[in-house]
Amino acid sequence: GAVVSQHPSWVICKSGTSVKIECRSLDFQATTMFWYRQFPKQSLMLMATSNEGSKATYEQGVEKDKFLINHASLTLSTLTVTSAHPEDSSFYICSANGLGAETQYFGPGTRLLVL
Amino acid sequence: AQSVTQLGSHVSVSEGALVLLRCNYSSSVPPYLFWYVQYPNQGLQLLLKYTSAATLVKGINGFEAEFKKSETSFHLTKPSAHMSDAAEYFCAVSAGPSGTYKYIFGTGTRLKVLA
Repeated sequence: GAVVSQHPSWVICKSGTSVKIECRSLDFQATTMFWYRQFPKQSLMLMATSNEGSKATYEQGVEKDKFLINHASLTLSTLTVTSAHPEDSSFYICSANGLGAETQYFGPGTRLLVL
Repeated sequence: AQSVTQLGSHVSVSEGALVLLRCNYSSSVPPYLFWYVQYPNQGLQLLLKYTSAATLVKGINGFEAEFKKSETSFHLTKPSAHMSDAAEYFCAVSAGPSGTYKYIFGTGTRLKVLA
């Protein structure tokens, strides 16, 4: 139980294009989803928290217009990196927990490379 | 506010030896504490968690951790290391039942297992 998937697992795009990453909870309803960014050999940096049907709450320093987050259903959240640039290249990981549940379950991550 | 400190960014042990990964936390409210493992290019897998029940917590793959309030610690141990334990380990704290279940992660400890 508590499986979270991400799609795509790998994406390469040209600078200036937008990329959408999907995060799905496969066997539970995710009232809250989290998006993280991880640089090589570093810890996870929380970017934003999203609750189903609400606007995402972004961490300080994260550009809302750059990283668009949508949590339209209890099983799907999307992260769109708009007008991507090489510095946006990173490993993006989502996590989800159910209503009243304290444990986050993590997706396998999406590696983004912007050329 | 919460914070987590993982002492030792790299730990090496011999196969069959005791594994000890250190985690100290700071929290203004009763915390929830978690240990996750990350293999290369993958998401995070939950090893175990403390949520104010038993202070000695047993997890998957033979790992366990003990919550010590007086020492503000939640160290991860395994009696006998296996080659497959080589990975990155993250300790995380959240604000417990009074919070939003946002995690604060430690900087991670890379475990190397020597044959």
